[in-house]
Amino acid sequence: GDSVTQMEGPVTLSEEAFLTINCTYTATGYPSLFWYVQYPGEGLQLLLKATKADDKGSNKGFEATYRKETTSFHLEKGSVQVSDSAVYFCALSDSASKIIFGSGTRLSIRP
Amino acid sequence: EPEVTQTPSHQVTQMGQEVILRCVPISNHLYFYWYRQILGQKVEFLVSFYNNEISEKSEIFDDQFSVERPDGSNFTLKIRSTKLEDSAMYFCASSVTTEVGTQYFGPGTRLLVL
Repeated sequence: GDSVTQMEGPVTLSEEAFLTINCTYTATGYPSLFWYVQYPGEGLQLLLKATKADDKGSNKGFEATYRKETTSFHLEKGSVQVSDSAVYFCALSDSASKIIFGSGTRLSIRP
Repeated sequence: EPEVTQTPSHQVTQMGQEVILRCVPISNHLYFYWYRQILGQKVEFLVSFYNNEISEKSEIFDDQFSVERPDGSNFTLKIRSTKLEDSAMYFCASSVTTEVGTQYFGPGTRLLVL
């Protein structure tokens, strides 16, 4: 079945460092791809999405490009801030009902 | 901004006991979902619910689980006889439509079965 694999954490970076969190997927169809973020004590929030190949999703300085040839959707940010500390989930959906998530990557940013 | 709320935030129960996890979806939302995340593992879809019926359920959602919208505002997940392996974080979500990526998630209930 469809699945998502993302890099294990925790990832610890200094403020203003460049961030990449790798995500690859397996799907039989043409899913939409997402990154969700969970800040401490809060629910999962949609960070960005891409619905077809070569689309780039972006939000709050984060970007990810839907790469069909490498089945990847890596999350990047050029300069991270302490406030970006959270757990990041890569996900896909090709159904109106359900989202398939990766296991999450905990990101900690040092001042 | 409207949000999905869940109660309790933490619950500890004995194996074999029944638990009910509660969610209050966003008020104009029509579609409701439960997901769970066992510690260190992936967030997994359990069930979706629309118009007082289950729309889709996963293999995890067996006869021990049930969902209900008892009063038009709450959306509950009941586990009839909890097992140790039911220990997990349970997330509720809701959406206005079924458009992909429009689900709003609650903060989760952490369930520990002893």
